[in-house]
Amino acid sequence: SQTIHQWPATLVQPVGSPLSLECTVEGTSNPNLYWYRQAAGRGLQLLFYSVGIGQISSEVPQNLSASRPQDRQFILSSKKLLLSDSGFYLCAWRLGGGEQFFGPGTRLTVL
Amino acid sequence: AQSVTQLGSHVSVSEGALVLLRCNYSSSVPPYLFWYVQYPNQGLQLLLKYTTGATLVKGINGFEAEFKKSETSFHLTKPSAHMSDAAEYFCAVSDTGGFKTIFGAGTRLFVKA
Repeated sequence: SQTIHQWPATLVQPVGSPLSLECTVEGTSNPNLYWYRQAAGRGLQLLFYSVGIGQISSEVPQNLSASRPQDRQFILSSKKLLLSDSGFYLCAWRLGGGEQFFGPGTRLTVL
Repeated sequence: AQSVTQLGSHVSVSEGALVLLRCNYSSSVPPYLFWYVQYPNQGLQLLLKYTTGATLVKGINGFEAEFKKSETSFHLTKPSAHMSDAAEYFCAVSDTGGFKTIFGAGTRLFVKA
């Protein structure tokens, strides 16, 4: 069966520090991968998606970037965090049937 | 372009009462429709989905939803609420070949004892 991992689960970082969040998927090949951010009390904002290794589409201009160095690995990064980057970050992968499967999420607090 | 509107950011029901969470969508092509549930500090979990065929879709935990094309709606219902149903619920739409899913803003369900 397929599983999706995210780490770390929680992270507290100072403003201006770098960021690296990692997501890995097991049990499937060539998945579509997604990064979402969920601000407190708000819905999901799609940040990036990827249809293959090295292929990244950005949905929202910001100081975040994403990379897909391997088929089942998706990384979210920032060189310098802003206060507004705080939120709950979710990684997901998608089947052909359309539904997405979500990881457990990373709670990021920028101070 | 596709969009999703969830009516009511908060819904409160008594335990044992009917749950009705409303969702309307906009899509220029036949949509795939989904309901997800999110418990605090967790990822989203698929409750049910509509792709084609029967318009009444049954999901996990006793939830069901009906696709009504004429009303562009996909409301989520459960006959009898349980305390464990308290969570946030997201309606979502995707086109059949697209890579992206559009999520509604979410409805938080409160269940009173």
